[in-house]
Amino acid sequence: QKEVEQDPGPLSVPEGAIVSLNCTYSNSAFQYFMWYRQYSRKGPELLMYTYSSGNKEDGRFTAQVDKSSKYISLFIRDSQPSDSATYLCAMKAAGNKLTFGGGTRVLVKP
Amino acid sequence: EPEVTQTPSHQVTQMGQEVILRCVPISNHLYFYWYRQILGQKVEFLVSFYNNEISEKSEIFDDQFSVERPDGSNFTLKIRSTKLEDSAMYFCASSGTVRQLFFGSGTQLSVL
Repeated sequence: QKEVEQDPGPLSVPEGAIVSLNCTYSNSAFQYFMWYRQYSRKGPELLMYTYSSGNKEDGRFTAQVDKSSKYISLFIRDSQPSDSATYLCAMKAAGNKLTFGGGTRVLVKP
Repeated sequence: EPEVTQTPSHQVTQMGQEVILRCVPISNHLYFYWYRQILGQKVEFLVSFYNNEISEKSEIFDDQFSVERPDGSNFTLKIRSTKLEDSAMYFCASSGTVRQLFFGSGTQLSVL
């Protein structure tokens, strides 16, 4: 079983729709959960940072962590064409190493 | 807004040559990292650096790789003798005490 699994997509939605992304993981030691956005040939850009279980909202973005199910989600409301990118989940335990999912490619069509 | 800066954006080298990738982390950050992403693959951890020493490294980070913070602002990754399979996008990242990692735009390394 892969340590972090993420559906590669592509996920195509019309402008204004809610984008729903998720990752599953196997390592119960993970405590910190992040979502990054990556445009083609650019560095990952931090969107959301969550510690342990629960929900966190920031503007159009909502991150959810369910540690009992080893499942994390990111929701993007009122999606825009500029949201078209690859979204990476990432997580870490107490150490320094960040483990990434493979990324989900999202296309928001005008 | 502060950002992590990486130079060069693209580096082409011959197999067996040494390369140095450079990074300027965010100024008040304490933790520094190198990651890489081979085309079409996951972003992979290479090494973390804190208090002037390596704090953790992956199995990828073998004796061909080294990191250095030569002064108060730069952080470098050296690959001593490049191989074809070292071709990848290399990302530098830094974090403060909250441990949220901020990444640079990357250096695309092409080994011919």
